[in-house]
Amino acid sequence: SAVISQKPSRDICQRGTSLTIQCQVDSQVTMMFWYRQQPGQSLTLIATANQGSEATYESGFVIDKFPISRPNLTFSTLTVSNMSPEDSSIYLCSVKLTDTQYFGPGTRLTVL
Amino acid sequence: AQSVTQLDSHVSVSEGTPVLLRCNYSSSYSPSLFWYVQHPNKGLQLLLKYTSAATLVKGINGFEAEFKKSETSFHLTKPSAHMSDAAEYFCVVSENDYKLSFGAGTTVTVRA
Repeated sequence: SAVISQKPSRDICQRGTSLTIQCQVDSQVTMMFWYRQQPGQSLTLIATANQGSEATYESGFVIDKFPISRPNLTFSTLTVSNMSPEDSSIYLCSVKLTDTQYFGPGTRLTVL
Repeated sequence: AQSVTQLDSHVSVSEGTPVLLRCNYSSSYSPSLFWYVQHPNKGLQLLLKYTSAATLVKGINGFEAEFKKSETSFHLTKPSAHMSDAAEYFCVVSENDYKLSFGAGTTVTVRA
């Protein structure tokens, strides 16, 4: 398995601002993923982030709104830009090891 | 295309009685199937996975699931519920080894 940490664990932000979420894993992994879990709902994949290439975004998510960095094999960031209350969610990163994805604890974001 | 339907949004059981969480999947290929659990304000934890080996899969904390291709089902069971089993459970399907599709989730309540 993998040990994954995220920072911050939670934040309250004002609309129109941006927040960068960090994800750190304790081993080198090729594939990292970012998910969104809106209140009371299931998880939706935002994008796949492979080291050394541009992130691949799922339908409904765009790079201008959710820019992602993947500078090395153990770290990634997700920025939520120009936030609105609709962005209030839990954001989770995950990594793929062999045939299983492991998830970080999540970042709980509230936008006022 | 892959998708998952969790047939119960909420399940309530008494402590010490069996738990059954139902999941049906749709997949064009031979899928991998997973059950994850999410305790309140905590991250996702892998309970068990099916990846084309034995159809009866045993997981952590006494949970098990049976893959039934003819019924396209992957139901999760536990013979005796414990108070600590109260959580949200997600059935997940993956066709291509990295993109996960989550079910809507089943909330389990355990009565003393």
